[in-house]
Amino acid sequence: GDSVIQMQGQVTLSENDFLFINCTYSTTGYPTLFWYVQYSGEGPQLLLQVTTANNKGSSRGFEATYDKGTTSFHLQKTSVQEIDSAVYYCATQGGRALIFGTGTTVSVSP
Amino acid sequence: AQTIHQWPVAEIKAVGSPLSLGCTIKGKSSPNLYWYWQATGGTLQQLFYSITVGQVESVVQLNLSASRPKDDQFILSTEKLLLSHSGFYLCAWVRDSGNTLYFGEGSRLIVV
Repeated sequence: GDSVIQMQGQVTLSENDFLFINCTYSTTGYPTLFWYVQYSGEGPQLLLQVTTANNKGSSRGFEATYDKGTTSFHLQKTSVQEIDSAVYYCATQGGRALIFGTGTTVSVSP
Repeated sequence: AQTIHQWPVAEIKAVGSPLSLGCTIKGKSSPNLYWYWQATGGTLQQLFYSITVGQVESVVQLNLSASRPKDDQFILSTEKLLLSHSGFYLCAWVRDSGNTLYFGEGSRLIVV
């Protein structure tokens, strides 16, 4: 079945560090891929999405490229700030809704 | 404006007591609506979805049920809570013609 794998459970960084979060997916066809961000105590928010294979999505300094060859959709940001501390979820279409990865908790210290 | 609102914000309930969580949307007719559950520190697990009034499909039941009594309302309920029902319940909808989910603020449930 469709699935999303995020291997990193926790990432700890300092401000201005480079952020890289792994995501690989397994689906049929070429679904839209998503990154959601969830701040403490809130519902997840859409961060970015990419509909077409080999395209890149970007938002608020975050980027992710839909790589059909490696079935990956890694998220990266050149210089993180403390406000980027949150849980990040990779997701893909699965039937009538989205299937989410297990999430990566990013902690950024000032 | 398109909005999604969940209620209550938080509840502390006893094991064996009933539960009702609500979700109301504004700004779109006949949206697809979803319930997700998130254990503390866990991922998002889809529970139910509905594409129209009176129709609900179950993905994972967890001894819960859902109903869609009105076009703009989605209800999650159970007659007897279990300790394992504790967590964060999220209502979500598709606001446009794509498949992007937009989530409500969530309802936090603690079962004691």
